[in-house]
Amino acid sequence: AQRVTQPEKLLSVFKGAPVELKCNYSYSGSPELFWYVQYSRQRLQLLLRHISRESIKGFTADLNKGETSFHLKKPFAQEEDSAMYYCALLSGGSYIPTFGRGTSLIVHP
Amino acid sequence: NAGVTQTPKFQVLKTGQSMTLQCAQDMNHEYMSWYRQDPGMGLRLIHYSVGAGITDQGEVPNGYNVSRSTTEDFPLRLLSAAPSQTSVYFCASSGRAGGTEAFFGQGTRLTVV
Repeated sequence: AQRVTQPEKLLSVFKGAPVELKCNYSYSGSPELFWYVQYSRQRLQLLLRHISRESIKGFTADLNKGETSFHLKKPFAQEEDSAMYYCALLSGGSYIPTFGRGTSLIVHP
Repeated sequence: NAGVTQTPKFQVLKTGQSMTLQCAQDMNHEYMSWYRQDPGMGLRLIHYSVGAGITDQGEVPNGYNVSRSTTEDFPLRLLSAAPSQTSVYFCASSGRAGGTEAFFGQGTRLTVV
């Protein structure tokens, strides 16, 4: 069975500092990885997916199959980045994602 | 397009009461799912459906029922509410037409007293 691990419940940084939210997964096949974001009292929305290899709101994430990781990075955090971030995985042709427990990012002024 | 619509937004139930959380999507997505969101536990899958008439259990199905009579609707029924079901519930849909992205409703905050 697949599993997504986000080891940090909470990440607290100051504005302008670099941010890295960690995500590791376990799955024997070729997964599709995503990062979803939930701003305060809003619905979850897609931030980025590994197949797009794009930067959204300054965030990037690279799939490392050797380390089974998909860490989310941003070089300079902004206050508006404060939110809950979820790493998610699709496997085996399924369209139902498996989520990690989430990391709450707080960016202080 | 409205996307995924959940009702109600808030609900308070007494222990033992039953209720139905509604979820509707207008994107003609084949896949629909229900998650509960609890602090420190992330999003856990309750039930899901891969098409009309087809449902299956997720990670935490006990105490919940679902049905999928149409492509658009996927209601979640709490049979006899318990305090342990106090949570925020999210409905999601996805489909081949939309790529692999999951689209979420705005959530239902349920409190069981």
